[in-house]
Amino acid sequence: GESVGLHLPTLSVQEGDNSIINCAYSNSASDYFIWYKQESGKGPQFIIDIRSNMDKRQGQRVTVLLNKTVKHLSLQIAATQPGDSAVYFCADKTGNQFYFGTGTSLTVIP
Amino acid sequence: DTAVSQTPKYLVTQMGNDKSIKCEQNLGHDTMYWYKQDSKKFLKIMFSYNNKELIINETVPNRFSPKSPDKAHLNLHINSLELGDSAVYFCASSETVNYGYTFGSGTRLTVV
Repeated sequence: GESVGLHLPTLSVQEGDNSIINCAYSNSASDYFIWYKQESGKGPQFIIDIRSNMDKRQGQRVTVLLNKTVKHLSLQIAATQPGDSAVYFCADKTGNQFYFGTGTSLTVIP
Repeated sequence: DTAVSQTPKYLVTQMGNDKSIKCEQNLGHDTMYWYKQDSKKFLKIMFSYNNKELIINETVPNRFSPKSPDKAHLNLHINSLELGDSAVYFCASSETVNYGYTFGSGTRLTVV
């Protein structure tokens, strides 16, 4: 199956700082990418997506960057808040299936 | 209104039992999924149905049998439960296979 990996399994940041969560994917044919946030006891929630014909997409306080050359995806969270503490997953789509990474646990220190 | 709802939220059962988890989505989506999340938070797809037709069937023991009576429902039946089946099971749906998922809140299955 596909391998979608994350460089850092855990990340701690101070409240108000910016957070960057990284993700590597292995299939150059992947054409769609999504970041999900999973809070404790809940299911993953869609945060932001990007298609392979783009290299950057911005949402509210979040930005996703896609570097297809090195097959790398990142999620930037501006002015990180305590409510951002969660596990973050990247997922890439190849064919009709999404493949999820192993997750990065983000802890925001007040 | 809950978009993707699954029941029960918690399920504790003994080895060898048979159990079912139900899932319903009210989003009008065509595609539904079952994922298994292990203790390390890894999400692995088990099954996918598109308009009641099975489209993805990953390497899952045949003790696991999905059933989709209509496109709004995808239930998961598990026979002869084993300790290794303990995990959180997530149901999800998407508009089509080309769009992101809406997940349910999960069913934590504990086999003792």
